[in-house]
Amino acid sequence: SQTIHQWPATLVQPVGSPLSLECTVEGTSNPNLYWYRQAAGRGLQLLFYSVGIGQISSEVPQNLSASRPQDRQFILSSKKLLLSDSGFYLCAWSVGWGEQFFGPGTRLTVL
Amino acid sequence: DQQVKQNSPSLSVQEGRISILNCDYTNSMFDYFLWYKKYPAEGPTFLISISSIKDKNEDGRFTVFLNKSAKHLSLHIVPSQPGDSAVYFCAASAFGNEKLTFGTGTRLTIIP
Repeated sequence: SQTIHQWPATLVQPVGSPLSLECTVEGTSNPNLYWYRQAAGRGLQLLFYSVGIGQISSEVPQNLSASRPQDRQFILSSKKLLLSDSGFYLCAWSVGWGEQFFGPGTRLTVL
Repeated sequence: DQQVKQNSPSLSVQEGRISILNCDYTNSMFDYFLWYKKYPAEGPTFLISISSIKDKNEDGRFTVFLNKSAKHLSLHIVPSQPGDSAVYFCAASAFGNEKLTFGTGTRLTIIP
C-alpha cells in the first residue's frame, strides 16, 4: 500500500531563516506530487506541483521554491522566511489526475 | 477568483440527523468533484467523488449529489455521528488536469 511521509511535524523558525520541508511517498512509482498551504481559517492553496523528476510548476509567486530530486521525494524550501509564511503545509500525491492523497502535514510558525 | 465556493463556514447538526454540506463552482470545465474530510493538525482524507456523467454517488453513510445546470454539489451524511465532526472541503478538477481546486471548507459539528 502507498504511504506518504512529511517531516518535521512542527517547526518554529525566526523571520529571515531558511526552510526545508521534506515529503516522501512509498509504494508507488512516478506519482504527481503537490505542496499545499492552509493558512489559519483559510482553504487549501496549491503552491507547487510536479509530474516528474525536475519538473516543477509554481502556482503562486512567493518566496518559496520546490524541488523534486528523486521520483518520490518533494522538497519545499525558502531562503528567508517571512511572517506570512506561517501555516500548515501539506504534501499530496496522485497517480495521474483525480484523487489526491495527503500527508500528515507540517505546522510552521514563523516568529 | 474563487472558482469553488463553500458559503457556509460552519454547520451544527444533532447526532443521528442528516448533515448537508454544500458547494458551488463557477468553472464549466470542471467535470470531476471530490469531498475531503479534515481533522485538526492532520492531512485531509478523501471521502467520495463524482464525475459529471452522474448526478449521484453513494458510499455507505455518504452521498454526493451533483446538479450540473446549477453548478452545485452537496454531500449528505446520514446518520450523522460524533466522529463526523471535522472540516469538509469540496474540490473540483477538469478531465486530464492534475490540479484540484479546493473550496474554503465547512466546519461540521455533530452535537451529541
